[in-house]
This record gives sequence, C-alpha cells and structure tokens, in this order.
Amino acid sequence: GENVEQHPSTLSVQEGDSAVIKCTYSDSASNYFPWYKQELGKGPQLIIDIRSNVGEKKDQRIAVTLNKTAKHFSLHITETQPEDSAVYFCAGGGGAGTASKLTFGTGTRLQVTL
Amino acid sequence: DTGVSQNPRHKITKRGQNVTFRCDPISEHNRLYWYRQTLGQGPEFLTYFQNEAQLEKSRLLSDRFSAERPKGSFSTLEIQRTEQGDSAMYLCASRWDRIPGELFFGEGSRLTVL
Repeated sequence: GENVEQHPSTLSVQEGDSAVIKCTYSDSASNYFPWYKQELGKGPQLIIDIRSNVGEKKDQRIAVTLNKTAKHFSLHITETQPEDSAVYFCAGGGGAGTASKLTFGTGTRLQVTL
Repeated sequence: DTGVSQNPRHKITKRGQNVTFRCDPISEHNRLYWYRQTLGQGPEFLTYFQNEAQLEKSRLLSDRFSAERPKGSFSTLEIQRTEQGDSAMYLCASRWDRIPGELFFGEGSRLTVL
C-alpha cells in the first residue's frame, strides 16, 4: 500500500516569511495529493489539492507542486500570518483499487511568530 | 451547517465499556469513511462505505469495532469492551464519488479510555 513521509515535523517561521513542507510517496499509482490544515481540537480541513496530471497549483498565498518522477510534492505558504499556525498534513491516494482512501503523513506543526 | 457532523465530540469511558459514535455526512455524499488519529500522528484509515455497503475494512479494525450505515445516510462506529489503546480521535469523512479523492472531514469524536 501507499506510504507517505512528511518533513519537517516542526517548522517555525517569522510572520511574513515563507514556509515549505515536503512529502514523498511510494505508490506510483497514487494520483491525488491533498493538503489538510488541522487546528487544535478540530478535524482536518482541506486547504489545497493537486492531481497527478498537474505539476503546480496555486491559491492565493498557498501553492503545491508535484514531481511525479521523484514521487514528491510540496506545500508552499508565502507571507505567513499568525493564523497559519496549525498542524499540516499531506496525503496521497486515489490510485486504482484504493477507493480514494487517503494515506496521511505524520504532520508538520507550523508556528508563525510575530 | 452543511458540513460533516460527529457526535459526541468527547467521550470518557472506563475500560471494558462499550461506546458508539455517530457521523452525519454531507447530504449528497455517497461515500463515508472512518479514520482514527492518535496524538502526533496523521489520520489512519479504518473503514469506508459506499451508500449502505461497507466495502473495505483496515486491519486496524479489530473484532471489537463495528461500523454501520443502515440507510446510506448517517453512520455509527461502535467499540465494544474498550481498551486504553482505543483512546484516540475518531474522524469521519465523506465525499461524492464523482469527484475523485476529495474528502471532507468532521470535527472528530475524541475517546478517552480510563
């Protein structure tokens, strides 16, 4: 099955700086890669996703890139704000026979300091 | 609120007791998933339903766990004879299978087994 690894486990940036979180996956059949933001005591919230037929996707301050050959994808947050502080999870899945169930990374705790 | 709804949000129980969690998915979503999340980890897949049919169960789902979705709408997850290792956040997610991959999560039900 799919295995997703995520780095770093913690990330501290100053407000206004950029943050980058990286993930690798193992199953070449995976074709869907979402990113979720989870705040304390809440469920994961989808913030952006990318499919394997696309190399990059951007939504305001958030962008995701995908390198299918290397099997890695990254989340980029620019102009970070204190409200960006949360745990971010990458996930992979959607390959044939997976019923689109997702395999998650272990999370990155992002702290944006003033 | 038209999101995924889970109840109860918190449950504290003594070892050996049975507990039941309920999930109400987004109304037009025909697929419903249960995940488990322990502290510091990403969500782990437990089981999923397409309409009322339970189509896949993870090896994480021991015989003490049972899930139902009797009318293809809400779902319940029951844990019998709870153990301390069952303490976790139980997350429900739903999606419309015409949009591959995209999962919407509820706020979760946190179980503490004393």
